[in-house]
Order: sequence, then structure tokens, then C-alpha cells
Amino acid sequence: GQQVMQIPQYQHVQEGEDFTTYCNSSTTLSNIQWYKQRPGGHPVFLIQLVKSGEVKKQKRLTFQFGEAKKNSSLHITATQTTDVGTYFCAQAGTALIFGKGTTLSVSS
Amino acid sequence: DVKVTQSSRYLVKRTGEKVFLECVQDMDHENMFWYRQDPGLGLRLIYFSYDVKMKEKGDIPEGYSVSREKKERFSLILESASTNQTSMYLCASRPPGQGLFLGQFFGPGTRLTVL
Repeated sequence: GQQVMQIPQYQHVQEGEDFTTYCNSSTTLSNIQWYKQRPGGHPVFLIQLVKSGEVKKQKRLTFQFGEAKKNSSLHITATQTTDVGTYFCAQAGTALIFGKGTTLSVSS
Repeated sequence: DVKVTQSSRYLVKRTGEKVFLECVQDMDHENMFWYRQDPGLGLRLIYFSYDVKMKEKGDIPEGYSVSREKKERFSLILESASTNQTSMYLCASRPPGQGLFLGQFFGPGTRLTVL
């Protein structure tokens, strides 16, 4: 079945550094959703991208959907300790197909 | 706010037991989902339901069944629990169709240990 591959699996940064996670598919995606899961918590919906080349921002978070709709990225500017967690991308259809996530750790 | 609740946060069962995991949502959502989450494997879909008494298999339905007798409640059943079903189980719901908001709302999860 269709899969979304997410890299890197883990990322450790110093507080204040930037962070990016990438989501890739071998086939065209109709849409992409991003979720954040804090340690010990459950996934929380962040955003959905639908249009080719779409860019959306939420404060320090920037989400992009590739022109070919085969990849997406989440970029965090100037990370804070509150950004710690696992970030998942997912293609939404009848159900979600999740990537395996990128776990971000931040040291102060 | 949408609320998705799960019957237990932690559960310990023995091999061979029948296990019921309950999920309730309060937003009248048609679509409900059961996932399991394991380290290194991410979230994998077990079953989903898009209406009362309707169910569809996800990626890993073996060893599980579900029940949707009421719109707000979606139950996951382990007919005969096995140690490889030790996992975090997450329930989710979402509204139907092409609404403005298509994200899924997740419950807090049930961490099941099968001994």
C-alpha cells in the first residue's frame, strides 16, 4: 500500500537551533496532515496541506507541500524546550496513513 | 472542544483473556478509528468505522475485532490476548466529508500489557 517515509527518525538540537523534518512519498499525495505527540501524550492535529506548493505558518512552525505533491516538510525556527515530541506526517483519506515520525529532543 | 475518551489508561491482562477497549466521542462524528502505536513502527491502523454497525479493516486487523453499536462508541476487542498485542492503543474520531477541518481527534490512549 501507499507509504509515507519520514526522515530523520531522531533529531537532537540545542535550544534556539532550527529543526526540519521531511515526509516523502513515491506517489502523488492528495493531501498531507501533520501531528505532534508530546512525550506520554497522544497525537494532536497541527495542520493540513492540500494545494501544490502550499506554505502555511503557525508562529515558529512552517509547513510546506511540494510542487509535485510527493513531499512535505515541517520547519521549526529557534526551537524551544516546549517543541519536544514526535512529529508525524500522514496522508488523509478514508483513514490516515502515518509516517513513522521524527522525535525531536531539545537541550537548553 | 471535542473530547475522545478511552476506558482505561493502563491495563494488564493475561494471555488468552478476552479484552475490551472502549472509546467514546462526544462530537457526533461518523468516523472512528483504532490504532496501535509501537516504538519504531509508528501508528498502524487496526480497524475503522464510518457509521454505526459499519466497520472496515485497516492494515493490521488480525487478532482484533470491533463493535460500533452506537455512533459515539467504538469498541476494540482482543478475542484471545497474546503477548505480541502488548502496545499503546489509540482511538480517534473525525467528522465526515470535506469539511474545513479534517484532522483526527485522538483519545489519551490505553497502554495494554499482556502477560
